[in-house]
Amino acid sequence: LAKTTQPISMDSYEGQEVNITCSHNNIATNDYITWYQQFPSQGPRFIIQGYKTKVTNEVASLFIPADRKSSTLSLPRVSLSDTAVYYCLVGDPLAGTLVFGKGTRLSVIA
Amino acid sequence: NAGVTQTPKFQVLKTGQSMTLQCAQDMNHNSMYWYRQDPGMGLRLIYYSASEGTTDKGEVPNGYNVSRLNKREFSLRLESAAPSQTSVYFCASSEDWTKNTEAFFGQGTRLTVV
Repeated sequence: LAKTTQPISMDSYEGQEVNITCSHNNIATNDYITWYQQFPSQGPRFIIQGYKTKVTNEVASLFIPADRKSSTLSLPRVSLSDTAVYYCLVGDPLAGTLVFGKGTRLSVIA
Repeated sequence: NAGVTQTPKFQVLKTGQSMTLQCAQDMNHNSMYWYRQDPGMGLRLIYYSASEGTTDKGEVPNGYNVSRLNKREFSLRLESAAPSQTSVYFCASSEDWTKNTEAFFGQGTRLTVV
């Protein structure tokens, strides 16, 4: 199974850009990289997905270098409501699973 | 648009009791999943169903059984509950398990076994 490594926690002030990096050294050729957000007492929610280079949507950007062994989720100008746990997932078609790590707990401070 | 609906939201069981957690999705997804999340931990896969009529074990299947009743519904059964099964259970669905497409999660079932 493709395994991911993320920082356990991060703190940021409101209005700052936050970058969360995920390592996935054994990513397979067909794997996509997906990020989820989870608020307390809720199920995870999809944020963004990419295969290579850069992907941007209305919520975040995802940067993936050429070797695809890592990825960086970028949240522009965070607010208090962005306080959550962020999970990086790498797809494993052979196992047919979404493999969640422990995630990164982001705390946004006023 | 309900998405993924789980019932019940909360449940307290005594050790040895059995119960079934229900999950239904209205997005015509092929794949469905059951996860558990313990305090301070990420989600761990219990069972999944790649398509209607199939089920497979995930990372932590012991003590659980599942049924893919039809395309919409995927239930999780605890035959003899143990305190170690105290957790929050999430059901999820996605269009196709082989494509790592976006998964949609329910609100969770908070289960306490005493």
